[in-house]
Amino acid sequence: DGGITQSPKYLFRKEGQNVTLSCEQNLNHDAMYWYRQDPGQGLRLIYYSQIVNDFQKGDIAEGYSVSREKKESFPLTVTSAQKNPTAFYLCASSIFQGAGNQPQHFGDGTRLSIL
Amino acid sequence: AQKVTQAQTEISVVEKEDVTLDCVYETRDTTYYLFWYKQPPSGELVFLIRRNSFDEQNEISGRYSWNFQKSTSSFNFTITASQVVDSAVYFCALSGMGANSKLTFGKGITLSVRP
Repeated sequence: DGGITQSPKYLFRKEGQNVTLSCEQNLNHDAMYWYRQDPGQGLRLIYYSQIVNDFQKGDIAEGYSVSREKKESFPLTVTSAQKNPTAFYLCASSIFQGAGNQPQHFGDGTRLSIL
Repeated sequence: AQKVTQAQTEISVVEKEDVTLDCVYETRDTTYYLFWYKQPPSGELVFLIRRNSFDEQNEISGRYSWNFQKSTSSFNFTITASQVVDSAVYFCALSGMGANSKLTFGKGITLSVRP
């Protein structure tokens, strides 16, 4: 089945530690996205990538970094600079980005907590 | 700037009741797209529907129906004869073209359907 796989499902971070969230898709989509979801806040865009080796900051990129070395993969690193990382992180993909009419497909999410 | 308002935060109904989830949007684009997503307890967002700004025809899919009215900038979602499996968080989202083609989400409505 085609889809988006996020791992791990639960992740714990110690103070001062960087952690990386994995996102893999086999939908052959060009565009990929990372969102952060906090209770009652909806989804906020962290980073997005329209094509391999290219990515753009979203609305809340500070304290996060990404890479897009392969079309299938878009890992997100939560750095120690992100002071409030506890949240639910969702990865998504779409056929391409820019036309606005493409629905995004989402993974199951990773819940990150601070130890 | 684009904005999506879901004024209802939580709705609780008894099974078999009809329920309407409201969505009001703001955009300066003449071409735009509206979406509804469902987020069950598992966490993954499931795409339900997309409408473009030129198509105000209402749509029905089984127990689900959507009412799009440009005059009031609303895109409301009705579930007829609700079921326990409809319990989830529902998000309305908006995207435009070009620089506005990224999805803007509302804060979501938590729907609880009691047996």
